[in-house]
Amino acid sequence: AQSVTQLDSHVSVSEGTPVLLRCNYSSSYSPSLFWYVQHPNKGLQLLLKYTSAATLVKGINGFEAEFKKSETSFHLTKPSAHMSDAAEYFCVVSPYNKLIFGAGTRLAVHP
Amino acid sequence: NAGVTQTPKFRILKIGQSMTLQCTQDMNHNYMYWYRQDPGMGLKLIYYSVGAGITDKGEVPNGYNVSRSTTEDFPLRLELAAPSQTSVYFCASVREGNYGYTFGSGTRLTVV
Repeated sequence: AQSVTQLDSHVSVSEGTPVLLRCNYSSSYSPSLFWYVQHPNKGLQLLLKYTSAATLVKGINGFEAEFKKSETSFHLTKPSAHMSDAAEYFCVVSPYNKLIFGAGTRLAVHP
Repeated sequence: NAGVTQTPKFRILKIGQSMTLQCTQDMNHNYMYWYRQDPGMGLKLIYYSVGAGITDKGEVPNGYNVSRSTTEDFPLRLELAAPSQTSVYFCASVREGNYGYTFGSGTRLTVV
């Protein structure tokens, strides 16, 4: 069975510092992986997706993620956090046209 | 294009009442999904459909029913509401073979 584990439930950074949100996946074959963001009381927005093309995936708002098969990881990074990045982030794996969500990481950004 | 439209946005139900959460998409997507999101948790798949007339259970189907009579509509039915069904419900759709999932804005349901 495919699954994702988000290693941190909460991450707190200062504005202007780097962001790292960690995600490990479990899959019996090469998966499709996504990061979604959810701002408070809002719906879900796709940040980026990996579908077996380039291992370094660039997304919206300066976010990127690197697919590392040897480590079964798909960590999300951003060089410099902005206050507007404060939100819940979900790592997602997609087997057979279904999405399986991680538990989420809440990112707090402090001035 | 409206994308995925969910109604209502908010609802309070009493225990034992029934209701239908509506979901409509205008993108001609063949795959549609219902998820629930409990506080502090990720989304759990309730039911999904790969096309009109075809539905299947997800991770947490108990207490819910669905139907898919048209490509556009995928309503979710709660027959006997229970407090455990208090959650935010999201509908989503995608075209087979694509990865561009589109989510609705959600329905916040409280059962008291």
